Amino acid sequence: QKEVEQNSGPLSVPEGAIASLNCTYSDRVSQSFFWYRQYSGKSPELIMSIYSNGDKEDGRFTAQLNKASQYVSLLIRDSQPSDSATYLCAATLSASKIIFGSGTRLSIRP
Amino acid sequence: DAGITQSPRHKVTETGTPVTLRCHQTENHRYMYWYRQDPGHGLRLIHYSYGVKDTDKGEVSDGYSVSRSKTEDFLLTLESATSSQTSVYFCAILGGGGEDTQYFGPGTRLTVL
Repeated sequence: QKEVEQNSGPLSVPEGAIASLNCTYSDRVSQSFFWYRQYSGKSPELIMSIYSNGDKEDGRFTAQLNKASQYVSLLIRDSQPSDSATYLCAATLSASKIIFGSGTRLSIRP
Repeated sequence: DAGITQSPRHKVTETGTPVTLRCHQTENHRYMYWYRQDPGHGLRLIHYSYGVKDTDKGEVSDGYSVSRSKTEDFLLTLESATSSQTSVYFCAILGGGGEDTQYFGPGTRLTVL
């Protein structure tokens, strides 16, 4: 099993709907989890980090962490065309190393 | 903006030539990283540095070397470029102040013919 796994997509969601992105992880990863957004031809940018079980909200974005089931998800409410991008899930392997999933491509259709 | 620049931003080279990519940061971060990104593979760690002259290998280090003689600069060298090293290369730093979050430079697109 890879340390961090994501469905590559593409995930197509109508504008205004909720987009749900999921990520599972192995026992090898540590306690910190991240969601990055990457537009085509650009570098990844951090959307959210989450460290504790439960939900963390920031504007239209909610990250959810479930350590018992070893998954982390990202919900995007009121999806906009500008949310169309690849979303990378990441987790710490050690204090200074982060491992990334291969990314899920999200497309918001008008 | 974490004050990270990469140079060059684009490069085309031929198989067998050496290539050096530069990452420069302005905020005195201790940790710096080099990743490559290829379709279907996400970001894979090549090498990282935890201080001046302190470096370690990542998961795809074969064919690459790094150097860090100053805090602000982290160099990635392809000793003899191969077509399999055609990729987009990203430099990253680890945020300070107790953060464990990485911030990325703009990337270098390298094509090896």
